[in-house]
Formats: sequence, structure tokens, C-alpha cells
Amino acid sequence: LAKTTQPISMDSYEGQEVNITCSHNNIATNDYITWYQQFPSQGPRFIIQGYKTKVTNEVASLFIPADRKSSTLSLPRVSLSDTAVYYCLVVRNTGGFKTIFGAGTRLFVKA
Amino acid sequence: SQTIHQWPATLVQPVGSPLSLECTVEGTSNPNLYWYRQAAGRGLQLLFYSVGIGQISSEVPQNLSASRPQDRQFILSSKKLLLSDSGFYLCAWSAVDGNTEAFFGQGTRLTVV
Repeated sequence: LAKTTQPISMDSYEGQEVNITCSHNNIATNDYITWYQQFPSQGPRFIIQGYKTKVTNEVASLFIPADRKSSTLSLPRVSLSDTAVYYCLVVRNTGGFKTIFGAGTRLFVKA
Repeated sequence: SQTIHQWPATLVQPVGSPLSLECTVEGTSNPNLYWYRQAAGRGLQLLFYSVGIGQISSEVPQNLSASRPQDRQFILSSKKLLLSDSGFYLCAWSAVDGNTEAFFGQGTRLTVV
């Protein structure tokens, strides 16, 4: 399974767009890129998933270049409630949900 | 809809005491089930996963064990807790044919004193 590298922490202000970039140089053909959000003392929650190009849902966008060795999670107009840890995961589409959780990126949104 | 229940939310146990954490899933059949542990400020470490009743795979050697007595029930146990067993324990499930997304419970904060 490919390991991921992402910034340890980021600061932002309410209303700004936040982009968190993740590198996954050893991603395999049958791996998907998935982002989770975790609030203190809660379980992680799925945000978005993609394989290539761009994926958008009601909370975020995910940009994946053609070589798939990196990805960028984009959170539009963040609010204080978006303060959380964000995990970038590479997940294989066989063999059950097996992935490597790194320390994630701690996002602090300020007023 | 599917839901996952995990209890208790917090637990304080003395060193050497036994442990039993329970997780149940509703609204799905034959899920894959997982136990994770999270140390403070760290990522999640996979401890056990199960693809069916009585089928348990251990990812790391440790003082803990897991059992799956029923299809949607997953139990994490220890006969004698160590201080190093303290942490945030999370149960999760994924669909049998959905390997790229897992759904997590609310977690149990275990403090061994």
C-alpha cells in the first residue's frame, strides 16, 4: 500500500478556500484516493474519493493529476466548524478496506 | 440505512483488569469489520479485521484479541490491561464488495491507570 505525505498543519480564516495537497508516489493502478475528516474524540468521516481528474461533491473537490502521484483536497469557504484533522488515504479496491493512516493535516480555521 | 454502534464512549480501567469493547452494525449483512487504535495526535493503527463470523486477522502483535461471534458484532478484548493499551479505539465496517470506503463508530476512549 502506498504511503502518503501531507502537511502536518495548516491555518486559515473563515470564508477562505483551503487546499491540502497530498503526495502518494507509489500509488498502484487499482488504488483510489480517499479523504477523511476527523473531529476530536470522534471517528473519521468520509469526505470524498477519486481515481483521476476532478471529483466534486457538496462539501469538497478533489483534484488528481494525470500521473496520480499527488492529489489536492479543496474546501471552499471554510468555517470554524471545518477545524479538524484531514487524512489523505490510498485505498486498494480489493481485499477489504486496508489503508495506512498517517498523522493527517490539522486544519485550524480562525474567525 | 446502516449504522454502527460502539460502546462505552469512555472507560477507565486499572492495570491488570480485563477489557471488553463491543461494536455492532445495523442495516447491512456480512460486513467487513475492523478495530483501530489511535494514540494522541497520531493516525489510526489497524489492529484486527474480520471478513466473516469467527474469522479474525491480526495486524500487529499485542496484548489484545478480537472475536466475531455474530455477523454484525465485533468484540475487542484483553485479559490483563497494560498502561500502553490506553488510547482511542475505533470500530469500523465496510461493505463486502466495497473496499474503498469504511464507516467508523464514535470510538471508545480507554485510559488504563
